[in-house]
Amino acid sequence: SQTIHQWPATLVQPVGSPLSLECTVEGTSNPNLYWYRQAAGRGLQLLFYSVGIGQISSEVPQNLSASRPQDRQFILSSKKLLLSDSGFYLCAWSPGLADSTQYFGPGTRLLVL
Amino acid sequence: SQELEQSPQSLIVQEGKNLTINCTSSKTLYGLYWYKQKYGEGLIFLMMLQKGGEEKSHEKITAKLDEKKQQSSLHITASQPSHAGIYLCGADIPGSARQLTFGSGTQLTVLP
Repeated sequence: SQTIHQWPATLVQPVGSPLSLECTVEGTSNPNLYWYRQAAGRGLQLLFYSVGIGQISSEVPQNLSASRPQDRQFILSSKKLLLSDSGFYLCAWSPGLADSTQYFGPGTRLLVL
Repeated sequence: SQELEQSPQSLIVQEGKNLTINCTSSKTLYGLYWYKQKYGEGLIFLMMLQKGGEEKSHEKITAKLDEKKQQSSLHITASQPSHAGIYLCGADIPGSARQLTFGSGTQLTVLP
């Protein structure tokens, strides 16, 4: 069966510091991968998605970036965090092709002080 | 762009009561997904509907997609405290690389 991992679970960072959040998927090959941010515990904002290694599409211009160095690894980064980057970050995967169902990781709560 | 509106935004019910959450789309739905989220956790996939008039059930939760494929409802029978959480609907975005757009969620509280 497939599983998706995110770490760290919680992160407190000072403004201006770098960020690296990691997401890995097990039990599947060539998944579509997604990064979302959820603010105020409700709506999901799609940040990045990837349909393959090295293929990243950005949905919202911001100081975040994403990379996919391996088939089942998706990384969210920032060189300098802003206060507004605080939130709950969720990674998701989908089988792609004919199935758009997305399966979510446990999330990372980021607090920028 | 396609927008999903969920109602109500929040709901408080007594344990054992039935309840319904609605998800309405501004455009035709080609795939409608229901998720549940507990605070501070990831989303759990519940079920997916594609065809007009389709209905699916999982334990005491039933989801329906109307014939016009613009509205879906999630019905919980005999609610329990374990049903508490945020319920979100998501929809396929036509022409996208398997992207979903999500509603803002319905916060459900079940009082014991």
